Amino acid sequence: AQSVTQLGSHVSVSEGALVLLRCNYSSSVPPYLFWYVQYPNQGLQLLLKYTSAATLVKGINGFEAEFKKSETSFHLTKPSAHMRDAAEYFCAVSDRSRDDKIIFGKGTRLHILP
Amino acid sequence: DAGVIQSPRHEVTEMGQEVTLRCKPISGHNSLFWYRQTMMRGLELLIYFNNNVPIDDSGMPEDRFSAKMPNASFSTLKIQPSEPRDSAVYFCASSSVVSNGYTFGSGTRLTVV
Repeated sequence: AQSVTQLGSHVSVSEGALVLLRCNYSSSVPPYLFWYVQYPNQGLQLLLKYTSAATLVKGINGFEAEFKKSETSFHLTKPSAHMRDAAEYFCAVSDRSRDDKIIFGKGTRLHILP
Repeated sequence: DAGVIQSPRHEVTEMGQEVTLRCKPISGHNSLFWYRQTMMRGLELLIYFNNNVPIDDSGMPEDRFSAKMPNASFSTLKIQPSEPRDSAVYFCASSSVVSNGYTFGSGTRLTVV
């Protein structure tokens, strides 16, 4: 069975500082990996998606994530945090089969300090 | 493209009443997913359909929950009878083989009192 673990349910960073949100995955087959963002009272939006084309994936709003098979990790980073980045972030995994069911982590709420 | 459309946005009902949540997926998407989000349990996959056929309903919590997809453009999630512990935000999402991940609706916030 596939799963993802997000380390830290809450992360606080100062505006302008590096954002690092951690995600580790478990999958018996090469996975697809995703990061989604949820702003208050909204649904989830796709930030970026890893499908094996490149290990460093660039997404929207300046975010990127690096797939590290040896560490089973897919951490999300952004060089400089902005107030508008305050939201909840979800890491997710699917097994690339025709069954495209995606399993989500429990989420990390990102707080931006002025 | 109007995206995934869910209705209603908010629903308040009394315990024991029937609740029906509705979803219109993006045209051309052949997979549809129902999720439930709570503070305690996070995002839980309840059921998903592929080409209007239920593929996996193992996440449906009880027999009180049922879901249908009579055609490619409409799905319902029904709770009968509803209970206070069903209070949550229910999301619908759709995707296709060529889409870039899921597209989520804005959700239905259900409160059962």
